[in-house]
Amino acid sequence: QVQLVQSGAEVKKPGASVKVSCKASGYTFTTYGISWVRQAPGQGLEWMGWITTQNGNTNYAQNLQGRVTMTADTSTNTAYMELRSLRSDDTAVYYCARVLWGALNFWGQGTLVTVSS
Amino acid sequence: DIQMTQSPSSLSASVGDRVTITCRASQNVSNFLAWFQQKPGTAPKSLIYAASSLQSGVPSKFSGSGSGTDFSLTISSLQPEDFATYYCQQYNSYPLTFGGGTKVEIK
Repeated sequence: QVQLVQSGAEVKKPGASVKVSCKASGYTFTTYGISWVRQAPGQGLEWMGWITTQNGNTNYAQNLQGRVTMTADTSTNTAYMELRSLRSDDTAVYYCARVLWGALNFWGQGTLVTVSS
Repeated sequence: DIQMTQSPSSLSASVGDRVTITCRASQNVSNFLAWFQQKPGTAPKSLIYAASSLQSGVPSKFSGSGSGTDFSLTISSLQPEDFATYYCQQYNSYPLTFGGGTKVEIK
């Protein structure tokens, strides 16, 4: 069955970086893209960007340009999202989601990233 | 960016009720519209894509309709497991954007 298993919770200090992984199984990794979505505590969903796993092409949300990098390792069927220069308002649950023709059709379990001094 | 506006932001309903949630896009998104269900402390679950197509495994009590700028999600007979927050999302153009969510609570 399809699974997207994300790495565990992280606690980071302001200014640090975090890298979240998303390991896919149960389907052909390169058939689908991977999007990243985050959700601040008690808030709605915010799209961060996505990566085409076939060729590594990316499209990032404008407000994160320069701070975020999404990559995909086809040898391990794992996608990564790195966010740099962390601020307190980056505290959120980060989700990866499988994408086909733009539609998010399966989600990882989420990774809580807490930014606190 | 395309703004997605959901209404209502919350509603109270009883088991067995028929519930409809609406979503309006600030620009034409054709039928590139999805609906998600999220229960507290869990990841969103995909319900509908292409405005009206049911994701595999999603019960037929969920249905979606609309195109262009106006969309709706209907739950035909609300069950206890359906109490959750529902989000719409357009994927017609970048950045992908979500509605603010509709919380469906027990009356």
